Amino acid sequence: NAGVTQTPKFRVLKTGQSMTLLCAQDMNHEYMYWYRQDPGMGLRLIHYSVGEGTTAKGEVPDGYNVSRLKKQNFLLGLESAAPSQTSVYFCASRGTATYEQYFGPGTRLTVT
Amino acid sequence: DAKTTQPTSMDCAEGRAANLPCNHSTISGNEYVYWYRQIHSQGPQYIIHGLKNNETNEMASLIITEDRKSSTLILPHATLRDTAVYYCIVRVAGGSSNTGKLIFGQGTTLQVKP
Repeated sequence: NAGVTQTPKFRVLKTGQSMTLLCAQDMNHEYMYWYRQDPGMGLRLIHYSVGEGTTAKGEVPDGYNVSRLKKQNFLLGLESAAPSQTSVYFCASRGTATYEQYFGPGTRLTVT
Repeated sequence: DAKTTQPTSMDCAEGRAANLPCNHSTISGNEYVYWYRQIHSQGPQYIIHGLKNNETNEMASLIITEDRKSSTLILPHATLRDTAVYYCIVRVAGGSSNTGKLIFGQGTTLQVKP
C-alpha cells in the first residue's frame, strides 16, 4: 500500500515547454486534488476531481489542465510553462466516508 | 468556509505540551475544525478534526470552546520530530458542496527545541 505517489519528484522546464505531472493512489479514493505551494505560503487548490471522468476548477486553475481517465490516477498538465508556475505541486486524495486528505510527497517544478 | 487566524510562530521545549491556538470567530454551525501539519518539504499530514466536542487521538487532542469561536491543538509531549507548520482549517462537511476542498492559510510554525 503505497498511498499517494507523484511522478516526477523534480523537474526543470524552459518557458513554453509542456509537461504532465502524474498522481496515483492505491486506496480506491473517489476524490483527488492538485495543490501548489509557493515559498512561505499555504497550499492553494488548482483543480480537483470528485470521481473518475470528472474534473473541476479550484482557486488557481489558469494555465493548468487535468484529466481523471482512471479512478486511481489524476494528471496535471502544463501546456506552456511560465516562470510563475515555479512551485511545489502536491496531490491528495480522500475517500467518501471521511474528510481526511492523504497527500503525496510533492513535485518540485522550476520554470526558467 | 470560515476564515481562521493563527500565530505565525511558536516555540516549545522538547517533552513539554505544545498548545497551538486558532481563532475562527465566524464559524458556522455545520463547519468542522481540521488540523493538518506539514513537516519541512513533505506533503501535509492530517492530525485531527472536530465539530464541537473535544477530540483525542494517538497524535493530539483538540479542544474547541463552547461558543466554537476558537480551538486549541495540543501535542501532549512534543518531540523534535513535531517541528512543522500546523494548519487550522474550517470547512463544511456534507451537503451539496461535498467536495472536501481545503483552504490553507499560512499556519503556525512550531519549533520544538531540545
